[in-house]
Amino acid sequence: QQQVRQSPQSLTVWEGETTILNCSYEDSTFDYFPWYRQFPGKSPALLIAISLVSNKKEDGRFTIFFNKREKKLSLHITDSQPGDSATYFCAAPNYGGSGNKLIFGTGTLLSVKP
Amino acid sequence: GPKVLQIPSHQIIDMGQMVTLNCDPVSNHLYFYWYKQILGQQMEFLVNFYNGKVMEKSKLFKDQFSVERPDGSYFTLKIQPTALEDSAVYFCASRSQGAPQNTLYFGAGTRLSVL
Repeated sequence: QQQVRQSPQSLTVWEGETTILNCSYEDSTFDYFPWYRQFPGKSPALLIAISLVSNKKEDGRFTIFFNKREKKLSLHITDSQPGDSATYFCAAPNYGGSGNKLIFGTGTLLSVKP
Repeated sequence: GPKVLQIPSHQIIDMGQMVTLNCDPVSNHLYFYWYKQILGQQMEFLVNFYNGKVMEKSKLFKDQFSVERPDGSYFTLKIQPTALEDSAVYFCASRSQGAPQNTLYFGAGTRLSVL
């Protein structure tokens, strides 16, 4: 059972375009959504995050839009650059069990062509 | 930024042998994690560890897996015996507090190849 879903699985855009990556979830207890970016052969690193109290979070060219009613998020990358080419993971904390852990989505592989 | 170190970066091992993956978490971090990633797919939670104890483990954390962090040494993931399906990249991660708003820092990963 996939708790955090992402679409599309892969995406190719041209330099300068706006990239939109989608994420959805089912569990109503999820209240914080970090996005991690992973370059090929590297470790994932936190890119931007949003909590339940916000509808939008912006950091430079990266913006998260959050639709709580539909349990959907999207990450927008404006003026996409070849250096943005990476896999993007949406994640959520799962408070089940006796510890806090992040549940990651399946990821979206982004390729930005010059 | 804070660094999580993982040793080795790549390990090739014959099926049935034991392997130990080592992780040096960010100093003063208290919560440690292992994740498994196959061929650039999603990161799958294996186990988290706090105050010398396993807090939670997933179904992927088979009986052949164990973790420990003796005082002052690495946080380790041991697999004994290894199986072909254990081939993956294993990421160690740490955070300072248990709250999810605290950033989870990942190491560069250990690529395990079981032959």
